[in-house]
Amino acid sequence: QKEVEQNSGPLSVPEGAIASLNCTYSDRGSQSFFWYRQYSGKSPELIMFIYSNGDKEDGRFTAQLNKASQYVSLLIRDSQPSDSATYLCAVHPLPFGNEKLTFGTGTRLTIIP
Amino acid sequence: DGGITQSPKYLFRKEGQNVTLSCEQNLNHDAMYWYRQDPGQGLRLIYYSQIVNDFQKGDIAEGYSVSREKKESFPLTVTSAQKNPTAFYLCASSLRATGDYEQYFGPGTRLTVT
Repeated sequence: QKEVEQNSGPLSVPEGAIASLNCTYSDRGSQSFFWYRQYSGKSPELIMFIYSNGDKEDGRFTAQLNKASQYVSLLIRDSQPSDSATYLCAVHPLPFGNEKLTFGTGTRLTIIP
Repeated sequence: DGGITQSPKYLFRKEGQNVTLSCEQNLNHDAMYWYRQDPGQGLRLIYYSQIVNDFQKGDIAEGYSVSREKKESFPLTVTSAQKNPTAFYLCASSLRATGDYEQYFGPGTRLTVT
């Protein structure tokens, strides 16, 4: 059973600080990693994806991938109240083939003004 | 304006009735997916389709059926055989079904069965 694990939270971060969200996965062969943001009552919105070891930055968001340790993280700099949401980590085992995305249960992030 | 549409947003049904949820995309994506989300749980894959007239069962296909007669459309039928149908249903699509293409979600349909 391929698993993706996230701390369910809630994670509380002061406004303007860095929020750090972590995700571990069990399938060592996993190749593609995605972060989705989901506001309460809404559908998930893709905010970052990463395929290679290291960091990938997009605006205030940085995704970090460490395949040797089997974890992927999302950093949110200068956190804003609008960042308050549940963040879902998703992992795809192979870049090619019929395997499917596996989602974690999400981390609920609250930014405190 | 490209995107994925799902209708209706809210759906109420009596137990024992079949119900069909609509999903349409105009992104020219080959692959489409149906997920179910329950409170406190991750997304669980019901069915997916990589190409027209072809679809595969996901992890929780029992009690559900789908069709893919057109590239743009992937309706999901929740049958009376589904034991706990009340949930948030999400449709997604990606350019291809492989892992190097991102999945994008529609707005979802919240189904309540009483």
